[in-house]
Amino acid sequence: EVQLLESGGGLVQRGGSLRLSCAASGFTFNTYAMSWVRQAPGKGLEWVSAISGNSDRTFYADSVKGRFTISRDNSKNTLYLQLSSLRDDDTAVYYCAKWGGGDFVPPFDYWGQGTLVTVSS
Amino acid sequence: DIVMTQTPLSSPVTLGQPASISCRSSQSLVHSNGNTYLSWLQQRPGQPPRLLIYRISHRFSGVPDRFSGSGAGTDFTLKISRVEAEDVGVYYCMQGTQFPLTFGPGTKVDIK
Repeated sequence: EVQLLESGGGLVQRGGSLRLSCAASGFTFNTYAMSWVRQAPGKGLEWVSAISGNSDRTFYADSVKGRFTISRDNSKNTLYLQLSSLRDDDTAVYYCAKWGGGDFVPPFDYWGQGTLVTVSS
Repeated sequence: DIVMTQTPLSSPVTLGQPASISCRSSQSLVHSNGNTYLSWLQQRPGQPPRLLIYRISHRFSGVPDRFSGSGAGTDFTLKISRVEAEDVGVYYCMQGTQFPLTFGPGTKVDIK
């Protein structure tokens, strides 16, 4: 059974930093691209970032480029998102999601439960 | 960026009756490999999103057959043949054809 478990969310000051983690199990982690998707309170879904199975390619939404860094440790079956220079509009639930077809082949077939990041002044 | 729009944004339905959601993309979702990466996701209240349909019309594992998807190019539809209470939630279309990946604004389905 595929499981994705996010952690690391919390309350952080504007301009601060945070690292999110997503522990994966139930599939061969290093053969699938992974992504982060966020959802601001009461709002829709926004794709944030993606990383290939062997970490050789990464992609970012313009809204986070230069501030967030996606990475993975295949030896630990864990995906990360380093958030820095946080702004009020980064407040959201952050979900990790698995790509269904390997490297950047949609869809997102499994999603974690999410971790809430709240940016305050 | 590909802009995804959905209609309606809200859909009150009667239990047992059908429901239909339309999704339109600002440009064709046909990938250079010939596939069309249009997915439908369901988000029940307080839950993470869940994949329902991928590549326009393929139901994901465990998804009831009352859900169906259709369309091509830039126009797509999700249909629920007979709405059940557990179908309440927000439905999103999503394109995976090109980065940045984008979602529709969501359609809220609730019971009349």
